[in-house]
Amino acid sequence: GEDVEQSLFLSVREGDSSVINCTYTDSSSTYLYWYKQEPGAGLQLLTYIFSNMDMKQDQRLTVLLNKKDKHLSLRIADTQTGDSAIYFCAERRTGFQKLVFGTGTRLLVSP
Amino acid sequence: DGGITQSPKYLFRKEGQNVTLSCEQNLNHDAMYWYRQDPGQGLRLIYYSQIVNDFQKGDIAEGYSVSREKKESFPLTVTSAQKNPTAFYLCASSATGTGGFGQPQHFGDGTRLSIL
Repeated sequence: GEDVEQSLFLSVREGDSSVINCTYTDSSSTYLYWYKQEPGAGLQLLTYIFSNMDMKQDQRLTVLLNKKDKHLSLRIADTQTGDSAIYFCAERRTGFQKLVFGTGTRLLVSP
Repeated sequence: DGGITQSPKYLFRKEGQNVTLSCEQNLNHDAMYWYRQDPGQGLRLIYYSQIVNDFQKGDIAEGYSVSREKKESFPLTVTSAQKNPTAFYLCASSATGTGGFGQPQHFGDGTRLSIL
């Protein structure tokens, strides 16, 4: 199938780490992306990883990629209330310009 | 600053009426995209264009039409044939080619369309 799957909801306390997971089905994916969407707004690109990488770190964000299991995760360290949003993973497949998006994970950060 | 501008932010449609959503970008991107987002769902691709005067149907093109007469502009028309048009519509653009940074898509702030 073509689905990119994410869990629907994640709740954490401020200061904890958050881990948002994503599984995809196409082993030919070249790039994988994480986007953040705040209420009533468009999608903001957070980070991306090339398929030949296992890990990428960017300040509080760490992306882990397990190509064998087709599993992608986004870890947010020291989660803040401002991180509350919907997070989408997306994959770009070989030979295609368009992206395939997951269903999104709603992250709720409580004080 | 470079970016993508969608207008209007809110739009209301009467039964049997066509409406057009505007999307303009000044990022000098060749590719542009239209997505539809329904509550609790991911993004579904309506149409995309990789170059001026050319566009392709996405996964849910029925009831929609587009044009790409200028590089900067990719308007979406929601026709009366689209029976359930109430949704949040997002426009995006990206570079094309084989650059080393994956040509991510950059998004506008969206247009929320409702039926009167």
